Amino acid sequence: AQKITQTQPGMFVQEKEAVTLDCTYDTSDPSYGLFWYKQPSSGEMIFLIYQGSYDQQNATEGRYSLNFQKARKSANLVISASQLGDSAMYFCAMREEFGNEKLTFGTGTRLTIIP
Amino acid sequence: GAVVSQHPSRVICKSGTSVKIECRSLDFQATTMFWYRQFPKQSLMLMATSNEGSKATYEQGVEKDKFLINHASLTLSTLTVTSAHPEDSSFYICSARGSSGVSYEQYFGPGTRLTVT
Repeated sequence: AQKITQTQPGMFVQEKEAVTLDCTYDTSDPSYGLFWYKQPSSGEMIFLIYQGSYDQQNATEGRYSLNFQKARKSANLVISASQLGDSAMYFCAMREEFGNEKLTFGTGTRLTIIP
Repeated sequence: GAVVSQHPSRVICKSGTSVKIECRSLDFQATTMFWYRQFPKQSLMLMATSNEGSKATYEQGVEKDKFLINHASLTLSTLTVTSAHPEDSSFYICSARGSSGVSYEQYFGPGTRLTVT
């Protein structure tokens, strides 16, 4: 069974600083995908970044990068130059590549950016 | 990017009544749709997976007779909460997966907040 662990329930970060949100996972599948989503107070899930288990390079999308350490089974999200609009809940999720494609989510981290 | 809509965005119903939530893919054909439930300050929990034209697959612990899912077309899936009770009050979010485009993408709707009084 898949499991996603996010150990930081909440984080406070000064504006313009970089922040790392932790995510570890557990799976027996050789092929899987890792996702990060942002959920602002309005509730919608905003896709941020994706990392495939066989991808050689860490994924990057603008200010977002994923620090993928396969041997440690970790997929931390790094947000550079944080902005006030980054304040939200952040969820790490995993999907089996050849299963029914359902996403398993972690418990989330509430990030608050301090001006 | 692909757009998924949900209707209604908020609904209040009385205990014992049924409520239907629609999930539509607006600019792509969704071969698979997923329904999630999120309680306050908690994570998203998958309720069921539906494929167009076939019966939904429910996660363990989810009552299929209470949460009726219909995926009648490639652009529409509906979730009906039957005989709703206050404990069914939650945030319901759908997501859709297309048959083409980016292989890993799953597009989420904006969610529906259900309050049962």
